[in-house]
Amino acid sequence: QKEVEQDPGPLSVPEGAIVSLNCTYSNSAFQYFMWYRQYSRKGPELLMYTYSSGNKEDGRFTAQVDKSSKYISLFIRDSQPSDSATYLCAMRNQGGKLIFGQGTELSVKP
Amino acid sequence: EPEVTQTPSHQVTQMGQEVILRCVPISNHLYFYWYRQILGQKVEFLVSFYNNEISEKSEIFDDQFSVERPDGSNFTLKIRSTKLEDSAMYFCASSAGQGFGYTFGSGTRLTVV
Repeated sequence: QKEVEQDPGPLSVPEGAIVSLNCTYSNSAFQYFMWYRQYSRKGPELLMYTYSSGNKEDGRFTAQVDKSSKYISLFIRDSQPSDSATYLCAMRNQGGKLIFGQGTELSVKP
Repeated sequence: EPEVTQTPSHQVTQMGQEVILRCVPISNHLYFYWYRQILGQKVEFLVSFYNNEISEKSEIFDDQFSVERPDGSNFTLKIRSTKLEDSAMYFCASSAGQGFGYTFGSGTRLTVV
């Protein structure tokens, strides 16, 4: 089983839709969870950073962590064409090494 | 907003040549990292660096790779004898500490021919 699994998509939604992106993981030592957005041939841009189980909201973005199920989600409300990008989940244990998911390619159509 | 700066943005080199990729992390950050992403694949960890020494490295980071923080601002990745399979985007990242996220640079696209 891979340490971090993420559906690569592609995922296509109409403008204004709620987008749900998910990752599962197998390593129960992971304690820190992040979501990054990556545009083509650019560096990952940090969107959300969470530590504990539960929800964290920042504008149109909500990150959700369920440690008991080893499942994390990112919700994007009122999606915009400018949200079109690849979304990467990443997680780490105390050691500091980030393990990334494959990335989900999102396209928001006007 | 503070950012991680990487140079060059694109480097083409011949197989067997040495390359140095340069990074300027965010000034008050203490932890530094190199990751790479082969086209179409996951972002992969290479090495972490803290307190002027390597704290962790992956199996990819073999004797051909080295890192250095030659002064208070730069952080470099050296590949001694490049191979075709080293062609990838190389990302530098930095972090203020364990309770903080990682900020990535825009990357250096390395092409080995």
